[in-house]
Amino acid sequence: KQEVTQIPAALSVPEGENLVLNCSFTDSAIYNLQWFRQDPGKGLTSLLLIQSSQREQTSGRLNASLDKSSGRSTLYIAASQPGDSATYLCAVKEGYNFNKFYFGSGTKLNVKP
Amino acid sequence: DTEVTQTPKHLVMGMTNKKSLKCEQHMGHRAMYWYKQKAKKPPELMFVYSYEKLSINESVPSRFSPECPNSSLLNLHLHALQPEDSALYLCASRGTGGETQYFGPGTRLLVL
Repeated sequence: KQEVTQIPAALSVPEGENLVLNCSFTDSAIYNLQWFRQDPGKGLTSLLLIQSSQREQTSGRLNASLDKSSGRSTLYIAASQPGDSATYLCAVKEGYNFNKFYFGSGTKLNVKP
Repeated sequence: DTEVTQTPKHLVMGMTNKKSLKCEQHMGHRAMYWYKQKAKKPPELMFVYSYEKLSINESVPSRFSPECPNSSLLNLHLHALQPEDSALYLCASRGTGGETQYFGPGTRLLVL
């Protein structure tokens, strides 16, 4: 069974810092990987989606990379802002069952003003 | 419109009550999902409907009963729940050939 791990579980940084969140998965037979943001008590907002054939995706200050063979993805946030404070989750879509997604436990980010 | 709506936002129920959660999307998506999320944990998949047919049931207790009456609507019927069922219930949808899951804001359920 696919297992998705996110490190660190929590991160606190001063405003303006660049940071990297990590996601690893055990089965490299994924279809795609998606990064989400979740604010407390709210639903998930999709940030970036990387197909298994892609190496990276960018949106504004966010850049996500994927190394499928090593089972890793990173989310790079440039020039962090207090409004970036949230929990960030990665989810992999299984290659065998297109309807199944496996979530990591998330990284809780706090950006201090 | 990339919105998934869920009602109610909050729900308090006793262990003998029957209630329903509702999820709606008008993006033409044919895959719809129910997830359960406990505090500080990732979402756990409960059910998946594909083209209005149940395609995945992750061994969820029968006190949770999903229903997909049409391509836009997904319900979760609740009966005889336990206090440990208190959680945030999230609905999501995904388009055919599309990869992104779109999530609703969730229903915060408290079982007393």
